[in-house]
Amino acid sequence: DTGVSQDPRHKITKRGQNVTFRCDPISEHNRLYWYRQTLGQGPEFLTYFQNEAQLEKSRLLSDRFSAERPKGSFSTLEIQRTEQGDSAMYLCASSRGLSRLAGSKGSSYNEQFFGPGTRLTVL
Amino acid sequence: DAKTTQPNSMESNEEEPVHLPCNHSTISGTDYIHWYRQLPSQGPEYVIHGLTSNVNNRMASLAIAEDRKSSTLILHRATLRDAAVYYCILRGAQKLVFGQGTRLTINP
Repeated sequence: DTGVSQDPRHKITKRGQNVTFRCDPISEHNRLYWYRQTLGQGPEFLTYFQNEAQLEKSRLLSDRFSAERPKGSFSTLEIQRTEQGDSAMYLCASSRGLSRLAGSKGSSYNEQFFGPGTRLTVL
Repeated sequence: DAKTTQPNSMESNEEEPVHLPCNHSTISGTDYIHWYRQLPSQGPEYVIHGLTSNVNNRMASLAIAEDRKSSTLILHRATLRDAAVYYCILRGAQKLVFGQGTRLTINP
């Protein structure tokens, strides 16, 4: 399977513990994104990388959250001192760089391919 | 981020066409209209996107109003596998900004 993979698929932890999630993007994709989704809501953007550079971070990404993509391939998302409000599905996605949509004057945005997510439960 | 408005839920029958509407009256000239869907217990998946002209692919068609203030995702012949939450997204940046989406139920 050459899609986006995430590990672990499920994580149960106690409040105050640190957790780390891993995302392996599609190999030729240079962009990697993290989203968070709570029950009944659409995914919310957290951060994205182009190669190893973290180019944008949401205000949702408090100082307890840190994401890295050290070699421009896989990425990790760490949550320190977890809180019950951190319970959610954490989704990773990857995409190629900008492309030109046929017939357009500007550039399009390539589709993002999502992984299956990591479901975090904080007790 | 420009806002989209979609019905919370819609229902259709198997093998019939489905038209999923999306209003985006504040769309800017450079925003692309993207549609993603999320099947139960899965991550979202790309469906289709367009800028001004109608678009077709193997999954669906996208009809964009002339003033670009609304669009419609068309599933030509719904199957049970099309039951999902469908998100209409205005994309002017790398990130995707998801709304609540439309939960589509397909009746056998």
